Amino acid sequence: IVLTQSPGTLSLSPGERATLSCRASQSVYTSYLAWYQQKPGQAPRLLIYGVSNRATGIPDRFSGSGSGTDFTLTINGLEPEDFAVYYCQQYGNSQWTFGRGTKVEIK
Amino acid sequence: EVQLLESGGGLVQPGGSLRLSCAVSGFTFTNYAMYWVRQAPGKGLEWVSGINGGGTNTWHADSVQGRFTISRDKSTNTLYLQMKSPRADDTAVYYCAKGLGSGWAALDIWGRGTMVTVSS
Repeated sequence: IVLTQSPGTLSLSPGERATLSCRASQSVYTSYLAWYQQKPGQAPRLLIYGVSNRATGIPDRFSGSGSGTDFTLTINGLEPEDFAVYYCQQYGNSQWTFGRGTKVEIK
Repeated sequence: EVQLLESGGGLVQPGGSLRLSCAVSGFTFTNYAMYWVRQAPGKGLEWVSGINGGGTNTWHADSVQGRFTISRDKSTNTLYLQMKSPRADDTAVYYCAKGLGSGWAALDIWGRGTMVTVSS
């Protein structure tokens, strides 16, 4: 399954809403879709699993939605620490895939 | 505290071999699937391999199938990745990661990674 993330880069100001898209080449099995955040020099951090479930300790400004082949990560009210690269991932078959990432940068 | 600590990275020649280790602590190792994910310099994430909690099922990306083998040792709480015949495009930071469950699951805890460079 190929995951296509858009846009490649999102330039926003603190306090604004970020909407990130992840489109799958075929339906994701049982909603096995996750989102990760990665900052430079750090390991990725799980934000959302099962399309819409926030991982432990993730603030409620992060939310996930979607089904089938179209998924969205929304960040309501960007905080300075939210500027990073975001990856979607499907884990619904034996060949997991990640999207290429969306960079959220400060405008 | 849950911790994953990778080791074993370094410089390896094309066609050689290397074994990565990931020492785990802070949770019941056999209850969770474990995975390896890599990231080439300046690139995105690529899933490499996975193994279920009991160690009875393994999965490998097509790009490493037949060359890399994932395994786990419950007596030492250690995850391994045996790399055979590595190629230049295997150069990457290799992360070990814990699954949320015993089978296919999102990756909730990640190690800091170990760098593997394949070059002559």
